[in-house]
Amino acid sequence: KQEVTQIPAALSVPEGENLVLNCSFTDSAIYNLQWFRQDPGKGLTSLLLIQSSQREQTSGRLNASLDKSSGRSTLYIAASQPGDSATYLCAFKLIFGTGTRLQVFP
Amino acid sequence: KAGVTQTPRYLIKTRGQQVTLSCSPISGHRSVSWYQQTPGQGLQFLFEYFSETQRNKGNFPGRFSGRQFSNSRSEMNVSTLELGDSALYLCASSLTGVSYEQYFGPGTRLTVT
Repeated sequence: KQEVTQIPAALSVPEGENLVLNCSFTDSAIYNLQWFRQDPGKGLTSLLLIQSSQREQTSGRLNASLDKSSGRSTLYIAASQPGDSATYLCAFKLIFGTGTRLQVFP
Repeated sequence: KAGVTQTPRYLIKTRGQQVTLSCSPISGHRSVSWYQQTPGQGLQFLFEYFSETQRNKGNFPGRFSGRQFSNSRSEMNVSTLELGDSALYLCASSLTGVSYEQYFGPGTRLTVT
């Protein structure tokens, strides 16, 4: 059974720091991986989609990598800003991680 | 291009009642999935519909059901509501299915009293 774990559960950093959020999965027969952000009480916003044949995807200050051999994906956020404060979730097909709650303070 | 819309946004029901939630996908998207989000269980998959057929189903009791219409709009129904059904219900649409990029609606906040 596929399990998705995200570490850390919460993170609080000053503005300007570079961040790494981790997502681990147990089933190596993975599908595409998608990273989302969720603002409190709102729906999910798609950030990046990495197809199973790809190693990474980039969008602006965000970079997501996928390593199937180690069962891990990382989301790298460069030069963090207060507007990045949200919960970040990774998902494999139907299974979502529990999320990392990020707070960036000025 | 309009995003995924969900109605109503907020709903308060009494235990034992039933409720119907609606989701309109992005134009051209044929897959609609439903998720339940609670603080304790996180985001859990309910079911996926594609071209009016249920294609995947999560581990929820039969009180949770859904359907999809020919215009890809989808409804989710919960019968005999329980206090534990209080949650944010999210729907997501995709061109071809859950393995591809999903776009989420703002959710319906259901409170059962």
